[in-house]
Amino acid sequence: DIQLTQSPSTLSASVGDRVTITCRASQGISSYLNWYQQRPGKAPKLLISSVFNLQSGVPSRFSGSGSGTDFTLTISSLQPEDFATYYCQESYSIPPITFGQGTRLEIK
Amino acid sequence: EVLLVESGGGLVQPGGSLRLSCAASGFTFSDFSMMWVRQAPGKGLEWVSYISSRSSTIYYADSVKGRFTISRDNAVNSLFLQMNSLRAEDSAIYYCARAEWFEGNYYMDVWGEGTTVTVS
Repeated sequence: DIQLTQSPSTLSASVGDRVTITCRASQGISSYLNWYQQRPGKAPKLLISSVFNLQSGVPSRFSGSGSGTDFTLTISSLQPEDFATYYCQESYSIPPITFGQGTRLEIK
Repeated sequence: EVLLVESGGGLVQPGGSLRLSCAASGFTFSDFSMMWVRQAPGKGLEWVSYISSRSSTIYYADSVKGRFTISRDNAVNSLFLQMNSLRAEDSAIYYCARAEWFEGNYYMDVWGEGTTVTVS
């Protein structure tokens, strides 16, 4: 099974900062990589599919990049509503479908 | 409005059973594959099961294989998860999610608010 490792596990940042979250796969997964945001007490929300495809309604300050085994989610200028937990997810060879362990983005 | 609403969660003893339901509205349910994803208290997301639009393809996570059964009824726009032989480690919020597909990549573009299962 493919493993996804996110780094860092926790990230402290301030409003206006540019932040990057990394997701590393245990083997190549082509472009089968998606990103979700989960605010406390809420359901996950799809942000980006297939590495860089921003979902409708998601602010353009979010972007994704990468290929093969290494992927990144970047938030160009943090807003208060962005403080949440972020998960990557792969679907290269289902089953199973795998999520990363999550990155908690907190206010510095 | 596209909506998924889960129900059926609750408190159950180890070894017991529960049946979760997910009611879909605002889209053509029979056109989409569906999934169940769970989240244990304070933990990350764990994929549980997948079912294709016509129920021809079904997958399970190893952790639930042989104990859980996913099904759907397209006539009433509903997804189900029959959970048997429940264990303490099955305690979680269970989310129903719509599966989208693009060039081989599956992702979950619509999520319900979840239903809580406690095994104790």
